[in-house]
Amino acid sequence: HLVQSGAEVKKPGASVKVSCKASGYIFTNYYIHWVRQAPGQGLEWMGWISPNHGGTNYAQRFQDRVIMTRDTSINTAYMELSRLTSGDTAVYYCARGSELRFLGGLDVWGQGTTVTVSS
Amino acid sequence: DIQMTQSPSTLSASVGDSVTITCRASQSVGSWLAWYQQKPGKAPKLLIQKASKLEIGVPSRFSGSGSGTEFTLTISNLQPDDFATYYCQRYNTYWTFGQGTKVEVK
Repeated sequence: HLVQSGAEVKKPGASVKVSCKASGYIFTNYYIHWVRQAPGQGLEWMGWISPNHGGTNYAQRFQDRVIMTRDTSINTAYMELSRLTSGDTAVYYCARGSELRFLGGLDVWGQGTTVTVSS
Repeated sequence: DIQMTQSPSTLSASVGDSVTITCRASQSVGSWLAWYQQKPGKAPKLLIQKASKLEIGVPSRFSGSGSGTEFTLTISNLQPDDFATYYCQRYNTYWTFGQGTKVEVK
């Protein structure tokens, strides 16, 4: 079970930080991925974090703007996206990936967080 | 970066039909390929991973095949609940999605 933080409205140039709280499984045993979906568009993978040691793997187009972190004391992952533009308006999902050291699809998803970037 | 291309973008079908969606990778992804179903306003649902391994609870009318650069998702005996958008995703190094295929009512 993944529960995300609420909707955000941000101005261009600002940053947004979305949280994703996990329950019902051992948080540190599975990757957490972030995926976004702009209005009427397809799914776009942003990257993953390993909650165990904090290692990350970001999609190339977000390398310089995204930071994924986690707090294992409260089983929560975070995705912070900076230098927002209107093109970042989207629903942001967190999703559970495979067990660490394995490859796999995304089997548990959060409910999504709507981020709106508008002046 | 490896690109994933789905075809068709839209598919019109009727209940009871069998439909096939194709996903092509610009380079080999082995069998590291997943399929998802997404309905409007909802998070995606994982149907298949490792190209052909059905997730627990997914109806057997869904099947996946392929390896390397060409993959297919087949839905046999299409049911009303199956009208949705389907995405393929490769997952090695990066987790790249195809652009999606909308299965709509004919």
